[in-house]
Formats: sequence, C-alpha cells, structure tokens
Amino acid sequence: GESVGLHLPTLSVQEGDNSIINCAYSNSASDYFIWYKQESGKGPQFIIDIRSNMDKRQGQRVTVLLNKTVKHLSLQIAATQPGDSAVYFCAESWGSNYKLTFGKGTLLTVNP
Amino acid sequence: NAGVTQTPKFQVLKTGQSMTLQCAQDMNHEYMSWYRQDPGMGLRLIHYSVGAGITDQGEVPNGYNVSRSTTEDFPLRLLSAAPSQTSVYFCASIGLSTYEQYFGPGTRLTVT
Repeated sequence: GESVGLHLPTLSVQEGDNSIINCAYSNSASDYFIWYKQESGKGPQFIIDIRSNMDKRQGQRVTVLLNKTVKHLSLQIAATQPGDSAVYFCAESWGSNYKLTFGKGTLLTVNP
Repeated sequence: NAGVTQTPKFQVLKTGQSMTLQCAQDMNHEYMSWYRQDPGMGLRLIHYSVGAGITDQGEVPNGYNVSRSTTEDFPLRLLSAAPSQTSVYFCASIGLSTYEQYFGPGTRLTVT
C-alpha cells in the first residue's frame, strides 16, 4: 500500500553540526508534506511544511527539500542544539481531505 | 487560547470495559482528528471530522466510535476495550485555511 517511510531510524550529531533527516514517500499523488517534532511525553509539534509545487522551503534554522522525481523529502536543521533532540516525523497528504499519513519517525540525539 | 486539550492523561481499563476519551479545542477549527501512536510507529488516523455533524473513518477505525455535535468537542469512544487498543491517543485540530495541525498532549491508555 501507499506509505511514508524513513531511511534512518536514529541520528546522533554533535551540538553545532547540521542535521539532515530523510523521508521517502510512495504516493505520487501526495501534494502536501509536513515535518513534525515530538519530544518525549508530548504531542507532535508542527515544524515546517511544503507543497508539491515547491522544491525548497526555509524556516528558522530549518529547511525542507522536496524531490518529487525520486519521491524524497528531507529536513535540514542548522546548528543543531540539544533542544532539537526529539523524534522527527514526516507526513504526507493529498487532495483537500487533510488526512495525514505519517512515517515511523527518526530519533535525533544531539550530543553536547 | 488553551489550544487542544485531552482528558484523561492516563487510563487503565480491563478488557471489555468502555470509556470515552475527551478532546476539545478553542481555536474554532473545523477539522478534528484522532490518531493512535504505537511504539516504533508513526501516528495512524482513527477517525476524523470536517465539521459539526460530519465524521468519517481513517486508517484504523475498528473498535472506535466518534461524534461531533459541536465545533469544539470531538470525543472518541471505545465500546469494548481490547488489549490491542493499548496505545497513546492524540487528538488534533486544523483550521481549513491552513494545513497546520495542532496536537493535544495525548492520552496513554492501557488495556489489561
């Protein structure tokens, strides 16, 4: 079936380094993608989104890249901080039904 | 604004018991949804609603009922709890002018 998955289940980086979290999706009809951050014991928190008519979008210290040719999504975090340690999920949606399909998540650990 | 609130935070049920998980939002969002999150997995959509009086099934609806009598509230009912329903449940809401979903803090349910 259609699904969203992640290449790396865990990622460990040094404080100050840049982090890249990857996500593969299989539904070519998906037209909206979101990255969420989930800290332990909390609900997912919206980080950044991108629509399929774009290939790059930047936020504060974060950049999302979308490659529709290979159905790949990535989240780049600049100057990673200990507070960035969390599980990161990508999610996809299509049409206007607002239903999201989530990937399994990547655990990012930032070492001081 | 309190955002999305969920009660209870924790619940233990015996097999066969029923209960209702409460979800409320004060952002006047039309769209609300329920997800479950199991260890090592992303969130899976249970049910969703695009407005008062309108509900629909998500990816894993079996064993759960919902209703949407008001814009603010979207309760999730378990009619006869089963151990397979042990999970963390998240409620989310979204305004139809944006795709950004706001998640509640979650309810951790254990069925013995």
